[in-house]
Amino acid sequence: KAGVTQTPRYLIKTRGQQVTLSCSPISGHRSVSWYQQTPGQGLQFLFEYFSETQRNKGNFPGRFSGRQFSNSRSEMNVSTLELGDSALYLCASRSSGRTKESQYFGPGTRLLVL
Amino acid sequence: DQQVKQNSPSLSVQEGRISILNCDYTNSMFDYFLWYKKYPAEGPTFLISISSIKDKNEDGRFTVFLNKSAKHLSLHIVPSQPGDSAVYFCAATSGTYKYIFGTGTRLKVLA
Repeated sequence: KAGVTQTPRYLIKTRGQQVTLSCSPISGHRSVSWYQQTPGQGLQFLFEYFSETQRNKGNFPGRFSGRQFSNSRSEMNVSTLELGDSALYLCASRSSGRTKESQYFGPGTRLLVL
Repeated sequence: DQQVKQNSPSLSVQEGRISILNCDYTNSMFDYFLWYKKYPAEGPTFLISISSIKDKNEDGRFTVFLNKSAKHLSLHIVPSQPGDSAVYFCAATSGTYKYIFGTGTRLKVLA
């Protein structure tokens, strides 16, 4: 079974631009969560999608948004990029979303904002 | 407000000895806890978990202990191996299925 894939792996943007990151979960998994990892902050939860609906949301500004498609693939969008948005963005999938099972993470997209 | 805390950013241990990684939480609603390991340029991988109805769970060299009254969990790795060198994250969740992660502890196992 293929793992969670994320594209692109690396991205360089400038302040004020917007960016879209993509995540393909493990086949059959319906829950996709997004996290931001920065040094000293660990993994900060952004949001979770389950069956195309946002089920949970972290404490991030409205510039961060996401969506999930009917095939469970998910995209995350960040508008009006700021220098502080430079981070590793990780997505994670799990199957049913109803049990406290482990999540499976992708390799992440490293975003650098100049 | 950091609901899950890992107060030691780094830890060095000799190969063959025990590694103990600690994690504290503040939210008493958390009822499931997990440990993940992360190598550079890779996503975190699941190691071991524990439900709040237990106080210990073992899987090979890895054991997780949960002290609910102290809101504290720890991961023991025995014996430690150089391949265990990585960043370890603890995470907690409740009925909302929202996973809250700690800031991570970088473990270095010295050969």
